[in-house]
Amino acid sequence: GAVVSQHPSRVICKSGTSVKIECRSLDFQATTMFWYRQFPKQSLMLMATSNEGSKATYEQGVEKDKFLINHASLTLSTLTVTSAHPEDSSFYICSVKGVNNQPQHFGDGTRLSIL
Amino acid sequence: SQKIEQNSEALNIQEGKTATLTCNYTNYSPAYLQWYRQDPGRGPVFLLLIRENEKEKRKERLKVTFDTTLKQSLFHITASQPADSATYLCALGATDTGNQFYFGTGTSLTVIP
Repeated sequence: GAVVSQHPSRVICKSGTSVKIECRSLDFQATTMFWYRQFPKQSLMLMATSNEGSKATYEQGVEKDKFLINHASLTLSTLTVTSAHPEDSSFYICSVKGVNNQPQHFGDGTRLSIL
Repeated sequence: SQKIEQNSEALNIQEGKTATLTCNYTNYSPAYLQWYRQDPGRGPVFLLLIRENEKEKRKERLKVTFDTTLKQSLFHITASQPADSATYLCALGATDTGNQFYFGTGTSLTVIP
C-alpha cells in the first residue's frame, strides 16, 4: 500500500491565489521530507528539504517566501505556493526520507495549473 | 555543479529483448545510486539501489551496474514486456548531501508488442 499520501492530486486556480499541498507519511514517522518540482519532459528538481520542528532548507534559486514549507508533525509536511502565477504551473512531488540511506518514498504528485 | 545525464530521452524496444539504459554523471562522487520508475502523472517508484562499493545488483528481471571509474550506471531490463513501458530515472546520493537525491533527466522506454 501507499507509504506517502499527497493531496490534492490536481489544482486549477487563478493567478494570485495561494495553494497548499499536503504530504503525509502513512507508515512511519518522518523527520525529513523533500519537495520536488517537475516540468514536462524534465527531471525532478529538488526544491527544499523539510525538517520536522525546524525551518526548511531551500535549494539555490528557490524563493523561500514564495514556497512556504511547514513540517509541524512527524507525519505531515505542507508546501504553500503563495500568490501563484502561470510560471508556477508544474508537477509538485513530495517524498519521505528512508533511514540509513534507504530509498525515498514518493507521493503521487500534485498537478498545479495556474490560469 | 553536478550533472547527471541519461542516454537518451526515448528508447523503443521490441518485446522480449533486453533494454539497456545509461546514467552518466560528472562533478560528483556519489555514495550510492538508485533507479526509479515513473509512470505518467505519478510519483517515482523505487526499483534498485547500488552502493559505490558494489559492481552489480539484481532483482528479478532487473540488473544494475555501477562503475565509479567511468562514472556510469547501466540499468538492464531483460525479457522486456509492454508493461515495462515507463520513464526510468537514476538518482545519485551522497552521505555529505544530507540525503538529498539528484535526479537524471530520465529515459522514456516503450516496449513494443
